[in-house]
Amino acid sequence: GAVVSQHPSWVICKSGTSVKIECRSLDFQATTMFWYRQFPKQSLMLMATSNEGSKATYEQGVEKDKFLINHASLTLSTLTVTSAHPEDSSFYICSARDRSSGGHIQYFGAGTRLSVL
Amino acid sequence: AQSVTQLDSHVSVSEGTPVLLRCNYSSSYSPSLFWYVQHPNKGLQLLLKYTSAATLVKGINGFEAEFKKSETSFHLTKPSAHMSDAAEYFCVLDSNYQLIWGAGTKLIIKP
Repeated sequence: GAVVSQHPSWVICKSGTSVKIECRSLDFQATTMFWYRQFPKQSLMLMATSNEGSKATYEQGVEKDKFLINHASLTLSTLTVTSAHPEDSSFYICSARDRSSGGHIQYFGAGTRLSVL
Repeated sequence: AQSVTQLDSHVSVSEGTPVLLRCNYSSSYSPSLFWYVQHPNKGLQLLLKYTSAATLVKGINGFEAEFKKSETSFHLTKPSAHMSDAAEYFCVLDSNYQLIWGAGTKLIIKP
């Protein structure tokens, strides 16, 4: 089946540094990629939607200058958490819609656990 | 308005007994509905999906769900629980290409 690779799976960083998370669709082209954040014991919250070659669309309340999203190709999107602070510690998950299925199905990465000290 | 309600935040069953995870939805469009499972420290995995074909949908690992329009429900069931089923389950509504997530149900399996 379709696979979405997310890297790294776990990252620890110091407060004030930036962290980049990669999301790749390995065997399909993604029409759209999504970035979610999951707080402990809560459901996923959509942060932003990105289409290849265009600017990401951020959900209300998500700081676009803090969470930089780049979608350079149909198989790669990156999320950069700039000047990370402890409150940014969370589980970040990306997903990608499979172009060949008409974009109807999303496949998810395994997630990245970010811990900011 | 589009919404998904998972009626139980936790469900606890004994191994070998049936599982029922409840999900109700509200949608102005013809909905597509999904169940995803998330095991501890793992990513989300698609269990099954309903996209306006058969109302009884069979998924992986012995799970199935029935779409009932009259009840606006899409409950997830399994005849016999296994210890490996312990995880969090999310009911998701895809309405006009917008994903709306339920809050999740944690399934606990007692030996």
